[in-house]
Amino acid sequence: NLMLTQPQSVSESPGKTVTISCTRSSGSIASNYVQWYQQRPGSCPTTVIYEDNKRPSGVPDRFSGSIDSSSNSASLTISGLKTEDEADYYCHSYDSRSQVFGGGTKLTVL
Amino acid sequence: EVQLVESGGGLVQPGRSLRLSCTASGFTFGDYAMSWVRQAPGKGLEWVGFIRSEAYGGTTGYAASLKGRFTISRDDSKSIAFLQMNSLKTEDTAVYYCTSGTYYYLSSGFSPHYWGQGTLVTVSS
Repeated sequence: NLMLTQPQSVSESPGKTVTISCTRSSGSIASNYVQWYQQRPGSCPTTVIYEDNKRPSGVPDRFSGSIDSSSNSASLTISGLKTEDEADYYCHSYDSRSQVFGGGTKLTVL
Repeated sequence: EVQLVESGGGLVQPGRSLRLSCTASGFTFGDYAMSWVRQAPGKGLEWVGFIRSEAYGGTTGYAASLKGRFTISRDDSKSIAFLQMNSLKTEDTAVYYCTSGTYYYLSSGFSPHYWGQGTLVTVSS
């Protein structure tokens, strides 16, 4: 079964850059698109990256996505961190049989 | 503006059934696949299933863990997607989110894009 593994938590200071990884357990990371969702406390998820590296309108360009075939992982990078970026972040992808979310990463901006 | 509004949640006893609705607006509902995602209290996101648009047969796909208890359907004339949940268990307690997104035909994948606010389902005696 397909699995996506994320770190449980990351923390960084305002103004800095943080990267959250998402490692695919089987099959190539490049074979299916990866999405990233932000969920602030008490709110529904919102899309910050879709199709590996595309940003929906309204998402600042401080957010970027990438994939790395050598590590079979995807990454979400947030630059110029703001306190409002503090949230849970989930990656998502799929294969021919299943759609899967990573376990989520809690980002603390302190 | 895309809007997805879930309804139908509430308190239900184990073993009973419940049907959730997702009313969509702001886009051509019939052109898009729809899905349901749930989140148990304090836990992460869990895929429930999705339904393709009629252009792709309106067929469905589900998480294997649900073992046939859940069924997704759609009424394109009313822009509503449904989640029928049968034989509910306490572990089905969660906020259920409706999403719209992109269906990738060649890989049979679905990418959620827009999310509703969710509706809470509590399964308890």
